[in-house]
Amino acid sequence: DIQMTQSPSTLSASVGDRVSIACRASETISGWLAWYQQKPGKAPKLLIYKVSNLESGVPSRFSGSGSGSEFTLTISRLQPDDFATYYCQQYTTYPWTFGQGTKVEI
Amino acid sequence: QVTLRESGPALVKPTQTLTLTCTVSGFSLSTSGIFVSWLRQPPGKALEWLALIDWHDDKYYSSSLKTRLTISKDTSKNQVVLTMTNMDPVDTATYFCARPSRFGELDYWGQGALVTVSS
Repeated sequence: DIQMTQSPSTLSASVGDRVSIACRASETISGWLAWYQQKPGKAPKLLIYKVSNLESGVPSRFSGSGSGSEFTLTISRLQPDDFATYYCQQYTTYPWTFGQGTKVEI
Repeated sequence: QVTLRESGPALVKPTQTLTLTCTVSGFSLSTSGIFVSWLRQPPGKALEWLALIDWHDDKYYSSSLKTRLTISKDTSKNQVVLTMTNMDPVDTATYFCARPSRFGELDYWGQGALVTVSS
């Protein structure tokens, strides 16, 4: 199985900050990487697909980058609604796997 | 519009078999390129992918749970069913069904169903 490792596990930030979350795969993945945002008691919400494609309706302050086995989610100017937990997921090969999550808190 | 809704028991006893149903609308399970997946999330923990079934009835499972999982679909009822055998308290989680896009990212999710395993 491909293991996905996110860092940091927790990120303390303020409104207006630029924040980045890293996701590393245990092997090279062919660009089939997605990012999700999850708030307590809710289902995850797709933010980014295929490494850098913004899902429809997602604010442009969210962006994704990377290649090979190293990927990054960046929020350019953190807004109050962005405090949540973020997950990366690979869907290159089965079984699909997720990172352990990064909680963005105040 | 695309919707998915999970249903099933909120409480199961250890060693029992869990059966969860995902009822979908807004698309057909027999349409080429359609997939439905099951995932779970223990309280306070990360998401875990469990299984996937496609329009052709091909099935894929989590490596660690594949001996306990079965995914199936009833196209006439617009339902995808997940069974998990030999339930244990560590299987306590919110179980989600989700629909991958044609590329594979999970763009539609159900609201989730909390299943507690306890005697």
